[in-house]
Amino acid sequence: EPEVTQTPSHQVTQMGQEVILRCVPISNHLYFYWYRQILGQKVEFLVSFYNNEISEKSEIFDDQFSVERPDGSNFTLKIRSTKLEDSAMYFCASSHLSGAGGPGDTQYFGPGTRLTVL
Amino acid sequence: AQSVTQLDSHVSVSEGTPVLLRCNYSSSYSPSLFWYVQHPNKGLQLLLKYTSAATLVKGINGFEAEFKKSETSFHLTKPSAHMSDAAEYFCVVSDRALTFGSGTRLQVQP
Repeated sequence: EPEVTQTPSHQVTQMGQEVILRCVPISNHLYFYWYRQILGQKVEFLVSFYNNEISEKSEIFDDQFSVERPDGSNFTLKIRSTKLEDSAMYFCASSHLSGAGGPGDTQYFGPGTRLTVL
Repeated sequence: AQSVTQLDSHVSVSEGTPVLLRCNYSSSYSPSLFWYVQHPNKGLQLLLKYTSAATLVKGINGFEAEFKKSETSFHLTKPSAHMSDAAEYFCVVSDRALTFGSGTRLQVQP
């Protein structure tokens, strides 16, 4: 069964450093998402991406964050200058149909990347 | 704006007894509702989804949920708990993006 994959599974970085989290969505999916889960807190939406553009983003997704689909398979989340509060589990998800989350859409999640900022 | 409230942060049951995980939602529209499960050190796996068809939704691993519009609820149930059901369960409402509840940790005692 196709699945979303994410690399690395764990990333440790120093405050102020740039990190790139990588995701390979399910191959025939058209909509891509990033979510994060700070330890002990809810899973929060960051951004959705369709047709090489951001379709929606939350207030968390500020100028420090960017997303890219550099080729036909990868979807990346870049954090330019990491802060302590960026430490979290980051989940990538993809869906085949509308990124508006309409009826019938299902988002499939990867296993997550645990980011630790020291 | 949409929101989800999971009424219990922890639920503990004995193996073989019924499971009830409670969820109430708030949405301006006719929502899509989901339950996801997260096992330790694993990603989020879809258990089931409601998309305005049948109000009783059957999912994987014997779970089901009933959409009750009058009560704005979407509780998750299973007739008989298994040890392998121990995990974190998230109720999720979908409008333009997924909005997650805070999660319910299910413990299953032998």
